[in-house]
Amino acid sequence: SQQGEEDPQALSIQEGENATMNCSYKTSINNLQWYRQNSGRGLVHLILIRSNEREKHSGRLRVTLDTSKKSSSLLITASRAADTASYFCATDANSGYSTLTFGKGTMLLVSP
Amino acid sequence: DARVTQTPRDKVTEMGQEVTMRCQPILGHNTVFWYRQTMMQGLELLAYFRNRAPLDDSGMPKDRFSAEMPDATLATLKIQPSEPRDSAVYFCASGRSGSGPYEQFFGPGTRLTVL
Repeated sequence: SQQGEEDPQALSIQEGENATMNCSYKTSINNLQWYRQNSGRGLVHLILIRSNEREKHSGRLRVTLDTSKKSSSLLITASRAADTASYFCATDANSGYSTLTFGKGTMLLVSP
Repeated sequence: DARVTQTPRDKVTEMGQEVTMRCQPILGHNTVFWYRQTMMQGLELLAYFRNRAPLDDSGMPKDRFSAEMPDATLATLKIQPSEPRDSAVYFCASGRSGSGPYEQFFGPGTRLTVL
């Protein structure tokens, strides 16, 4: 079963705008990670946020985590056409195995 | 530039045939994962190895799927016999497990089509 659920399923914006994607999950987690997947390619790790962290930045990416609401958000600022991809949140549910459970992703389209 | 490699990149086969997919994890990584991605189910974990030992294969149909790590540089996923519902993209990922959380590095995937 899917642990993370991304919202929205699809997002279409113009270059220069900000893109916000949300992720909700069901059980307690050790950490949450965001990945990007370009069409026809493998997933690429973007950022990892631990359960005791509330916010993390990496370049134009900002991730927040609210463990009380079991939710996370990924903000991409000043988006570019090259940001067009699917974005997945993945949760490490602290099962002892350190495996990730992925949501179904948000498909982001950034138009020039 | 260290990368996870997978072969073949594309495989078309007929129902009932055996399919073997191979993965070379990044040198020095001690964990290997096999995932299957479909439009309907998304990305599903099939198997997980740490230090070449299988730790979790609960997501894998046991009757037809098998996963092994003959050595630290090779992981294999075998389907025998294959069925049309096995059509999907299969990803291998590796990571370095230590005392804390870690990221996974994905290969380019094997697109499997079973006719």
